[in-house]
Amino acid sequence: GAGVSQSPRYKVAKRGQDVALRCDPISGHVSLFWYQQALGQGPEFLTYFQNEAQLDKSGLPSDRFFAERPEGSVSTLKIQRTQQEDSAVYLCASSLNTGGEKLFFGSGTQLSVL
Amino acid sequence: GQNIDQPTEMTATEGAIVQINCTYQTSGFNGLFWYQQHAGEAPTFLSYNVLDGLEEKGRFSSFLSRSKGYSYLLLKELQMKDSASYLCAPLDSNYQLIWGAGTKLIIKP
Repeated sequence: GAGVSQSPRYKVAKRGQDVALRCDPISGHVSLFWYQQALGQGPEFLTYFQNEAQLDKSGLPSDRFFAERPEGSVSTLKIQRTQQEDSAVYLCASSLNTGGEKLFFGSGTQLSVL
Repeated sequence: GQNIDQPTEMTATEGAIVQINCTYQTSGFNGLFWYQQHAGEAPTFLSYNVLDGLEEKGRFSSFLSRSKGYSYLLLKELQMKDSASYLCAPLDSNYQLIWGAGTKLIIKP
């Protein structure tokens, strides 16, 4: 596609529910990042993929968070047993190669946990 | 530790010039990005500096001083559509972006 696509755009979950957030990066982009952004804050790094390999997951806040990119293109961020503090915008970004290139961001998924 | 410091909020008048400053401390340095983010939207790329000096791109310019750990974004001929948050993000030694909280710029007529 022309840009990074994320779905759903908005997600409301009851506390304790599992959610899955999808990211379609720009075709051919090697690097894929997931960020969490709270209102009025900058993006906080969650995890990084280079093709299908998850090279860095140091930003995942707990073992309830899990991300995958099995075929090196589409990625899914899964949050199990959601908590209210998980409410945030989840941004996906991709870049063509590795080594600190310009990132292209999706519009994000706004997650609200009630 | 790694740290980014930007003003939280700035206000400027349509047609004027504004400078948004950013100081940073990172583990290694591989350049610095500026991104613009309108409310409810994704960040979009504005500039990338890896060498000292000023990079000009239309109404927007970005400056970097690596020895001082300092950058600024200069916006000229401000338009109402420039109201947004501006995020300073240096690249550390692992080529990871370190994000500041951003500066919310409010443009008044």
